[in-house]
Amino acid sequence: GAGVSQSPSNKVTEKGKDVELRCDPISGHTALYWYRQSLGQGLEFLIYFQGNSAPDKSGLPSDRFSAERTGGSVSTLTIQRTQQEDSAVYLCASSQDLGYGYTFGSGTRLTVV
Amino acid sequence: RKEVEQDPGPFNVPEGATVAFNCTYSNSASQSFFWYRQDCRKEPKLLMSVYSSGNEDGRFTAQLNRASQYISLLIRDSKLSDSATYLCVVNGAVGNKLVFGAGTILRVKS
Repeated sequence: GAGVSQSPSNKVTEKGKDVELRCDPISGHTALYWYRQSLGQGLEFLIYFQGNSAPDKSGLPSDRFSAERTGGSVSTLTIQRTQQEDSAVYLCASSQDLGYGYTFGSGTRLTVV
Repeated sequence: RKEVEQDPGPFNVPEGATVAFNCTYSNSASQSFFWYRQDCRKEPKLLMSVYSSGNEDGRFTAQLNRASQYISLLIRDSKLSDSATYLCVVNGAVGNKLVFGAGTILRVKS
């Protein structure tokens, strides 16, 4: 597509429920990244995928967080048993390759109540 | 030491002013450098790449100093619409992924 598409744009969920966030990167971009940003804070790296290589999961805050990327394109970030501290904007980005500038999607604003 | 450090600001400047931001990075092997802009409650957007020879895009000039490991962004003739957070971005030491600074807040006032 023309840009990075994320869905849903907003998600309100009850504490303890699981949520899935979706990212559709720019066509042809081999690298895909997930970040989160809490209100007034900087970007926190979560995970990235590069081609067929094993993903770098070093930023995932706990084992409640997981992500997959199917067919080298669409990615899903799953948060299990959500907690209030998971409330943030989750941003997905893609790039042509590692080291290239990223294009971000408009994010999913997650609120855990 | 953080991989990328920026002065958080805020920088409050009048319209028409020239303002400069610096950013330092720790990985001497870094090869990719960028400035991003983030408006309130929006996603970051690429403002410009930073090249070794320095580069200019309209009112914006970016410089790279490899010896001192810093990059700079100069904005001339500031506009109200330049008000945003400016993120310094460098490819990091691990896996070559980009590392984002925490950002510098710019407020341009009439």
